[in-house]
Amino acid sequence: DTGVSQNPRHKITKRGQNVTFRCDPISEHNRLYWYRQTLGQGPEFLTYFQNEAQLEKSRLLSDRFSAERPKGSFSTLEIQRTEQGDSAMYLCASSTTDHPGLAGGSTDTQYFGPGTRLTVL
Amino acid sequence: AQKITQTQPGMFVQEKEAVTLDCTYDTSDPSYGLFWYKQPSSGEMIFLIYQGSYDQQNATEGRYSLNFQKARKSANLVISASQLGDSAMYFCAMREHNYGGSQGNLIFGKGTKLSVKP
Repeated sequence: DTGVSQNPRHKITKRGQNVTFRCDPISEHNRLYWYRQTLGQGPEFLTYFQNEAQLEKSRLLSDRFSAERPKGSFSTLEIQRTEQGDSAMYLCASSTTDHPGLAGGSTDTQYFGPGTRLTVL
Repeated sequence: AQKITQTQPGMFVQEKEAVTLDCTYDTSDPSYGLFWYKQPSSGEMIFLIYQGSYDQQNATEGRYSLNFQKARKSANLVISASQLGDSAMYFCAMREHNYGGSQGNLIFGKGTKLSVKP
């Protein structure tokens, strides 16, 4: 079983350009999450999919950001008109509700990919 | 107010010794989960251990154990017999099950950088 994969691993772009990142989750996982991590901080939640439905979006996700998961498998995150403040590590995670915890409830543990590091010049 | 607080920006430990990384959390949700992740310099977040709010026992996973004190709202990570490969950033995270209808995104602390000395 392969883990979560993300492409590209690194992206350098000029301010104002559009960029798109891809995430391939663990194959049987129905939930997919996007996070952003800036230097010295923990990851911050951006958005979440269950199958192909985008169920939750953070206020961090401005209208320049859009995410899709068209067939409930891989997902893309697009940033339009990039700004220098968009420079960060973009992390994707996936999970399933089928992992029982000690008390029987689902742990819904999120497994992360290696991330895409974006640098906006 | 911060929901996850990690008060130790950096920690040093001698190889083969045990180390405790602190984490306190804040929630009014009775149902929640607590997670620890390791992030090496390569950047990938590696899941280490999980504790559910209703779990009666402290979670253990190999050399990792979670010292869960619910009344104090703390979930400290204990790493026994430290190894050089344990040098990394460690993040504590919480998932609230019912807060505001959230479907379970993780809320992370700022992390603790652990350095293992030979």
